[in-house]
Amino acid sequence: EAGVTQFPSHSVIEKGQTVTLRCDPISGHDNLYWYRRVMGKEIKFLLHFVKESKQDESGMPNNRFLAERTGGTYSTLKVQPAELEDSGVYFCASSHSEKLFFGSGTQLSVL
Amino acid sequence: RKEVEQDPGPFNVPEGATVAFNCTYSNSASQSFFWYRQDCRKEPKLLMSVYSSGNEDGRFTAQLNRASQYISLLIRDSKLSDSATYLCVVNDGGFQKLVFGTGTRLLVSP
Repeated sequence: EAGVTQFPSHSVIEKGQTVTLRCDPISGHDNLYWYRRVMGKEIKFLLHFVKESKQDESGMPNNRFLAERTGGTYSTLKVQPAELEDSGVYFCASSHSEKLFFGSGTQLSVL
Repeated sequence: RKEVEQDPGPFNVPEGATVAFNCTYSNSASQSFFWYRQDCRKEPKLLMSVYSSGNEDGRFTAQLNRASQYISLLIRDSKLSDSATYLCVVNDGGFQKLVFGTGTRLLVSP
């Protein structure tokens, strides 16, 4: 069974540019989450989808971040415009029960 | 104050040693508790859930003390492959909105 896949694995962009991260959850998992770890800090919750609906987006840092999950399958997280403090590892996770399965993350570097 | 506090370590232990990690959480309404393992530059993976009665999975034992808001993980007979960062994780309520500690790094040496 395929796990949670994220693309790209690394992204290096300049401040002010736009970046879109993609997450493909495990097939059949209605719940999809985005988390982020910035340097030296703990992993933090960004938002949670149930199918195509945003269940909880309380962790989204500001309106430069936009997450979508059209059709309830894959999800995208767009950062526009990117700032230096957005650098970090963005993890996606999916679940159909209590256990979350994480993707290997996207390392985002904003220069 | 962080919601989930852990000693960052590193804990350096020889193979075969027993090592214990502790964690405290601030939200008394937290509903479920986990230990995740994260290898360098990899994703977190669920190691085990933590139940009030305590639970064991092979060489790993997890305990929860709700009154003290304290979680522990005991690893017996450490292996080189146990070297990793161990993340204490708390579910703050419904729908798996997980709150992570910064992790405790374990280094097991020959």
